[in-house]
Amino acid sequence: AQSVTQLDSQVPVFEEAPVELRCNYSSSVSVYLFWYVQYPNQGLQLLLKYLSGSTLVESINGFEAEFNKSQTSFHLRKPSVHISDTAEYFCACKPQGGSEKLVFGKGTKLTVNP
Amino acid sequence: DVKVTQSSRYLVKRTGEKVFLECVQDMDHENMFWYRQDPGLGLRLIYFSYDVKMKEKGDIPEGYSVSREKKERFSLILESASTNQTSMYLCASSPIGPFRAQHFGDGTRLSIL
Repeated sequence: AQSVTQLDSQVPVFEEAPVELRCNYSSSVSVYLFWYVQYPNQGLQLLLKYLSGSTLVESINGFEAEFNKSQTSFHLRKPSVHISDTAEYFCACKPQGGSEKLVFGKGTKLTVNP
Repeated sequence: DVKVTQSSRYLVKRTGEKVFLECVQDMDHENMFWYRQDPGLGLRLIYFSYDVKMKEKGDIPEGYSVSREKKERFSLILESASTNQTSMYLCASSPIGPFRAQHFGDGTRLSIL
């Protein structure tokens, strides 16, 4: 079975500061990894995903995440955040060649203050 | 763009009522999912369907049932609503393939009084 741990439930930062949202996973098999974002009063949107190949993946709005197999981590980073990045962020994984079901972390609420 | 539409954004029902939450997707996806989202608990899978009339229990199926009579529509049913089922309910769909991402609707905030 897989599990996902998001180490911080809330992360407050100031605008234009860098941010890292931490995600660790546990699995006995290889996994695909995903980050989703949920803006207030909306559903989840896919931010980025790691399937294979380069361990650094990027999104169109400046976020990036790095897959680290030895540390079983998939941390999300942004060098300079905007007020509009205020949202809840969910890390998730799926076993390769296995279930279609996603295993989610409990989420990290990012608040960007002026 | 994939569109997953949930029939209601907000719903208020009474204890003991039978409640139907509807979800429709327009991309011919095989998989559909119902989640419940509660503060501090993240998303928990209630039921999953991988084909018409096929379903699989998720992590918290008790008190819920589902129906998938057509590929594009997946219904969540609360047989006898209780106050502890007050929550945000999210529907999602995806094509077959574990590397495929799920696409979510905007959610239904359900209050049981």
